[in-house]
Amino acid sequence: KAGVTQTPRYLIKTRGQQVTLSCSPISGHRSVSWYQQTPGQGLQFLFEYFSETQRNKGNFPGRFSGRQFSNSRSEMNVSTLELGDSALYLCASSLDAGTGYEQYFGPGTRLTVT
Amino acid sequence: GQNIDQPTEMTATEGAIVQINCTYQTSGFNGLFWYQQHAGEAPTFLSYNVLDGLEEKGRFSSFLSRSKGYSYLLLKELQMKDSASYLCAPANQAGTALIFGKGTTLSVSS
Repeated sequence: KAGVTQTPRYLIKTRGQQVTLSCSPISGHRSVSWYQQTPGQGLQFLFEYFSETQRNKGNFPGRFSGRQFSNSRSEMNVSTLELGDSALYLCASSLDAGTGYEQYFGPGTRLTVT
Repeated sequence: GQNIDQPTEMTATEGAIVQINCTYQTSGFNGLFWYQQHAGEAPTFLSYNVLDGLEEKGRFSSFLSRSKGYSYLLLKELQMKDSASYLCAPANQAGTALIFGKGTTLSVSS
């Protein structure tokens, strides 16, 4: 079956702009989590959605937001971009939320803010 | 507060055994994840330990001691393709990994 897909794969934006990233989970998976990965900070959890509800949220400013649709597809939005937002953004899907369910990661969206 | 500590780098030779340690301090602990991440690729799930003890899965095994806040990943019969970063991540009570270690970069040489 198809894996997790993320679009776009690469993105270049300028400071102050906003960006929307998309994630399509594996068919049948209802949980989607978003992560930011940078060389300095490593992998950091942004938020998790399950059945269109945000269940967990990491320590990121309110400029970072997300949502999940009824078909489990998810989007994350970053407003007023800063240079420090340059990172690889990964989404991961699993059958259910938490309880150690195996997560499958997408290839990520590489965001560069200039 | 929450803290995860794992070695930054490790080196080993093909065929050898290597143990990657992870110590953690976190609240609301349910279990611990291990992920493998090759350079330029997304992480892939290796294991999730909930109970104390060793769980074996082929060449990879993972150990957990909840009372000590300690886990390790044991890789046997190392192969060149095992060169990657290994991330440990404690899960909260709902089983979600909210924080990750910085990762241990393992280099396997012939």
